[in-house]
Amino acid sequence: SAVISQKPSRDICQRGTSLTIQCQVDSQVTMMFWYRQQPGQSLTLIATANQGSEATYESGFVIDKFPISRPNLTFSTLTVSNMSPEDSSIYLCSVETSGSYEQYFGPGTRLTVT
Amino acid sequence: GQNIDQPTEMTATEGAIVQINCTYQTSGFNGLFWYQQHAGEAPTFLSYNVLDGLEEKGRFSSFLSRSKGYSYLLLKELQMKDSASYLCAVVNQAGTALIFGKGTTLSVSS
Repeated sequence: SAVISQKPSRDICQRGTSLTIQCQVDSQVTMMFWYRQQPGQSLTLIATANQGSEATYESGFVIDKFPISRPNLTFSTLTVSNMSPEDSSIYLCSVETSGSYEQYFGPGTRLTVT
Repeated sequence: GQNIDQPTEMTATEGAIVQINCTYQTSGFNGLFWYQQHAGEAPTFLSYNVLDGLEEKGRFSSFLSRSKGYSYLLLKELQMKDSASYLCAVVNQAGTALIFGKGTTLSVSS
């Protein structure tokens, strides 16, 4: 298993601004992921954060809007850029630890854009 | 592409048994997961099936039929604390991440 923390836990931001969300894991992991969960919806994968290379984005998500950093095996950041109210959502990071595809999730960051 | 279907909502009473179904369509298969998510909390892992059959873990069991693209999560001796969303997920085509269904919201009443 893994213990994952995210900062901030929640934030209220104005449209047009950017917010960077941090994800810290208590052990080194190869795979880190960023998901979005809009109100009342399930989880949608944004991207896979690769250590030492660019993130791999899913269809509908682009690097200019959601830049991701992965400087080492225990840390990643997701930036939500030029925010609009449609970006209001919970953003979760997750990690895969054992190579069996099982993922552990952080507590999430609840973002409200006004 | 990949497609995952689950019922949106289910209700049950304490002490009962409930079965939550999940059907999926995917090119390539690397396993199916069930997660539980209480309101306002992160999803937590329940089960992982990669071979056909039933996996039992306490009050929760999960079944997989790869030929039918079908899985179910069986919850026995329901408790109020089992009220939550149950998410079915399959590994994506690249084999690198999970793709989630829309989830089934289970309400357990006394």
